Amino acid sequence: QSVLTQPPSASGTPGQRVTISCSGSSTNIGSKTVNWYQQLPRTAPKVLIYSDNHRPSGVPNRFSASKSGTSASLAISGLQPDDEVDYYCAAWDDTLNGLVFGGGTKLTVL
Amino acid sequence: EVQLLESGGGFVQPGGSLRLSCAASGFSFSTYAMTWVRQTPGKGLEWVAALSGSGGSIYYADKFKGRFTISRDNSKTTLFLEMQSLTADDTAVYYCAKDYSSMPVAGTGDHWGQGVLVTVSS
Repeated sequence: QSVLTQPPSASGTPGQRVTISCSGSSTNIGSKTVNWYQQLPRTAPKVLIYSDNHRPSGVPNRFSASKSGTSASLAISGLQPDDEVDYYCAAWDDTLNGLVFGGGTKLTVL
Repeated sequence: EVQLLESGGGFVQPGGSLRLSCAASGFSFSTYAMTWVRQTPGKGLEWVAALSGSGGSIYYADKFKGRFTISRDNSKTTLFLEMQSLTADDTAVYYCAKDYSSMPVAGTGDHWGQGVLVTVSS
């Protein structure tokens, strides 16, 4: 059971906007920054969003994120077939004194 | 260009040990915390351990304390993960990752290595 809770799956049609939630607690998301990662099959993860809502250079502005209280969410607009991969959230946890990941969300583009 | 290159993976028998290395280049290595993350077959990402840029602060996920040892040689810009008493449950791809600051609390994954496969089997 992951400390951060993500839906195991999400779906949308091409062009649509989808959101993926990440629920935590006051000891992680509520007090530390959240990063979001995208992982293609059989490849290393890649950061999509860091420090809650910052996009690294090269990441399309179709990807955005927000945080409120102990929850965070990743939004993908203008859904494309290539977006059909896995997404993870992560944050440092002050009680566990370690990084915690969400269980991952597999996005399906219908 | 930031590069992280893991090595040292392979087959090991249950109860055995293995030392993974992550050779870093393209950034001021000692300035940044570094992290090991693993992914068991078909499963999600799992944080293993991290240490500060100086190496003076070390953090482990509870399940790896006492079995895994993270270390770094800043003079050789290399990160290590020493793994002992390995079991089949440790079969995974292990990734090293560069953190966002000198301490790991800001999170990891600014850059990732390509991953190295560790297979524990008799």
